[in-house]
Amino acid sequence: DGGITQSPKYLFRKEGQNVTLSCEQNLNHDAMYWYRQDPGQGLRLIYYSQIVNDFQKGDIAEGYSVSREKKESFPLTVTSAQKNPTAFYLCASTSGGRGQLLFGSGTQLSVL
Amino acid sequence: GEDVEQSLFLSVREGDSSVINCTYTDSSSTYLYWYKQEPGAGLQLLTYIFSNMDMKQDQRLTVLLNKKDKHLSLRIADTQTGDSAIYFCAESKWRDDKIIFGKGTRLHILP
Repeated sequence: DGGITQSPKYLFRKEGQNVTLSCEQNLNHDAMYWYRQDPGQGLRLIYYSQIVNDFQKGDIAEGYSVSREKKESFPLTVTSAQKNPTAFYLCASTSGGRGQLLFGSGTQLSVL
Repeated sequence: GEDVEQSLFLSVREGDSSVINCTYTDSSSTYLYWYKQEPGAGLQLLTYIFSNMDMKQDQRLTVLLNKKDKHLSLRIADTQTGDSAIYFCAESKWRDDKIIFGKGTRLHILP
């Protein structure tokens, strides 16, 4: 079945550590997105990519990095520069229909 | 600037209709969406409406758009316990990849 897969479901980060969240899709979608969700804050866009080897910063890119080496994969690294990383992270993709995003099931990142 | 506003909470009795409201500020918004999020899960697209429409119905869901007032609503008929979730309003422009989400309305179903 086609879909978008995020892993792991839960992730813990030690202070000063970089961690990487995985996002894979087998839908042949061109565009992929990373959102951060905090309680009562809605979704905030971190990075997005419309095509392989290209990506753009969203509203809250500081402290995060991404790569898009393959169409299927869009990993997000939360660096040690992100001082408040605890949040629910959502990856999404679309074939181009504006706003008709397909979301993964999310990764909950917490700080130890 | 761009903004999408929703109330944060709504409580409805099982069997009644739920009406979730949303206002947006950008008059050039072309698509308006409703997404549903169940606990610990990603968002699921429920329905969308194009800005030249004023109503769309899909089974128990009715979307109303008042473009003059920049007001969007989602009506869920015969609300059931499975409708308990957070509902997000979102908007996007034509040929613009940026999608703006509201903060979400948590729908609580009373027995």
